[in-house]
Amino acid sequence: GENVEQHPSTLSVQEGDSAVIKCTYSDSASNYFPWYKQELGKRPQLIIDIRSNVGEKKDQRIAVTLNKTAKHFSLHITETQPEDSAVYFCAASRGMRFGAGTRLTVKP
Amino acid sequence: SAVISQKPSRDICQRGTSLTIQCQVDSQVTMMFWYRQQPGQSLTLIATANQGSEATYESGFVIDKFPISRPNLTFSTLTVSNMSPEDSSIYLCSVWDGGRGANYGYTFGSGTRLTVV
Repeated sequence: GENVEQHPSTLSVQEGDSAVIKCTYSDSASNYFPWYKQELGKRPQLIIDIRSNVGEKKDQRIAVTLNKTAKHFSLHITETQPEDSAVYFCAASRGMRFGAGTRLTVKP
Repeated sequence: SAVISQKPSRDICQRGTSLTIQCQVDSQVTMMFWYRQQPGQSLTLIATANQGSEATYESGFVIDKFPISRPNLTFSTLTVSNMSPEDSSIYLCSVWDGGRGANYGYTFGSGTRLTVV
């Protein structure tokens, strides 16, 4: 089955800096890769996603890149703000397996 | 995206008893899933709820422990049977409602926080 690995497990940045979270997947048949943000005590919320026929997608300060050959995809957050602090999860479509999560802290 | 109503939001149960969690969606959806999330951990897929047939369980999860129903395309239930303290967790339903609105993906219910004492 699909195996999704996510790094780093924790990430601390200064407000205004960029943050990058990386995920790798094992099943080449996966064709959809969402990213979720989960704030404490709340449900995961989809923030951006990418399909396998696209290499990059951007939505304001958030972007996702996909390298199908290497089977990895990354979340990029620019100009980070304290409200970006949360746990971020990646997932791959084959079986909707989730990565272990990254706890992002943005220091004011 | 689809709107999901999940209940109960939380419960405290005695060991050996069972709890049924309900997930109601405001529209017909192709796929429904049940996840478990331990505190501070990632989401673990329990099973895919199939409409009109038996659920598809992931490794480590069995139907006797986690029976699932999905009588139609808008509703599913997950039962946690013969509970023990190790079953204490957050249980979330999720639906695939691809193609609706701006978010093309999986939407989660608000979760059920279960504590077994």
